[in-house]
Amino acid sequence: AQSVTQLDSQVPVFEEAPVELRCNYSSSVSVYLFWYVQYPNQGLQLLLKYLSGSTLVKGINGFEAEFNKSQTSFHLRKPSVHISDTAEYFCAVSDRAGDYKLSFGAGTTVTVRA
Amino acid sequence: EPEVTQTPSHQVTQMGQEVILRCVPISNHLYFYWYRQILGQKVEFLVSFYNNEISEKSEIFDDQFSVERPDGSNFTLKIRSTKLEDSAMYFCASNDLSSYNEQFFGPGTRLTVL
Repeated sequence: AQSVTQLDSQVPVFEEAPVELRCNYSSSVSVYLFWYVQYPNQGLQLLLKYLSGSTLVKGINGFEAEFNKSQTSFHLRKPSVHISDTAEYFCAVSDRAGDYKLSFGAGTTVTVRA
Repeated sequence: EPEVTQTPSHQVTQMGQEVILRCVPISNHLYFYWYRQILGQKVEFLVSFYNNEISEKSEIFDDQFSVERPDGSNFTLKIRSTKLEDSAMYFCASNDLSSYNEQFFGPGTRLTVL
């Protein structure tokens, strides 16, 4: 079984400032790692994923995340946010085998202000 | 670009009534999932479905819930006798084996039980 902890429930940030959303996970097996974004009144959209290889992964909309195995973390970053990045962000993990069901964190609400 | 669709977008029902939530996964996908998100809480896994049978289910997915793939395109979630606590956003997702477990999510059905 896996669990995911997103350390910040709300992150207010000014436009063009950097943002980091923290995610830690625990699992007894190797996992795949994901960040999803949910814009208001919409479904979940994949931002990026870590499967293997380079620990720094780049996603859509200028986001990137770094997998740190020793710290069991997968923090999401963007160097300069836009108003349109206002959304809820979910970190998720799944087993590397089986049916790949996702276990989600509680989410981080990012509010970008001008 | 292919996408997962869900109907209806919003369903209001009386406690004790049966509801069927419908999903059309991406056509060449083989794994199908239902998740739910109670307002203000994390996204939770309900059930996965592969090869015309349930692959895994969570403890939330009790005897009141069932899933079906009645034809080659639809994937349904039935709640036999709804309870107030079933009020939530229900997301359908699908993936194929070639994209590991990158799950593609539908826009969700908001279920309100009165």
